[in-house]
Amino acid sequence: AQKVTQAQTEISVVEKEDVTLDCVYETRDTTYYLFWYKQPPSGELVFLIRRNSFDEQNEISGRYSWNFQKSTSSFNFTITASQVVDSAVYFCALSVGGSQGNLIFGKGTKLSVKP
Amino acid sequence: DGGITQSPKYLFRKEGQNVTLSCEQNLNHDAMYWYRQDPGQGLRLIYYSQIVNDFQKGDIAEGYSVSREKKESFPLTVTSAQKNPTAFYLCASSIIRGQLLTGELFFGEGSRLTVL
Repeated sequence: AQKVTQAQTEISVVEKEDVTLDCVYETRDTTYYLFWYKQPPSGELVFLIRRNSFDEQNEISGRYSWNFQKSTSSFNFTITASQVVDSAVYFCALSVGGSQGNLIFGKGTKLSVKP
Repeated sequence: DGGITQSPKYLFRKEGQNVTLSCEQNLNHDAMYWYRQDPGQGLRLIYYSQIVNDFQKGDIAEGYSVSREKKESFPLTVTSAQKNPTAFYLCASSIIRGQLLTGELFFGEGSRLTVL
């Protein structure tokens, strides 16, 4: 069975602090994709990143970075120098090969960045 | 601009009534999905469709129905058989590449249904 665990329900930081959102996944498939989505107060989920199981390179995009470690089944997300606009609910998700694109979502982490 | 449009944004329903949520996309995506989101929960898949006139049940399809008569449209009906319909409903679409869907979903802004 596949599962995504986001142990942090809510995180509160002060602007300019760095923050890491944890994601642990479970799957027996060797081919899978991992995702992060952002859900701002407006409601729609915004795609942030996709990583496939054969590519363990970390990725940086501006203030965002992702650390994929197959050894610990983790795909953590770090925001550097957080800003108030980063306040949102962040979801980690898993898609396994042949699943027809059905994403398995974690329960999300609500990030509040205070000025 | 391309995107996904959901309507209505807010909907109130009396118990025992069916209600239909609209989802339209102009992204030319093959696959469309309906998810349900409850407070403090992740998204759970209700139904999905990869092609016109075909759709599959997701994890929580009971009490819901869908149709896919056009590529652009994937309406969801919440029937009176759904025991706890109050929730936030999100529609999404994605491109199909080869045998494996890319999994990159584009979402609408959601419809919030409240049963009175």
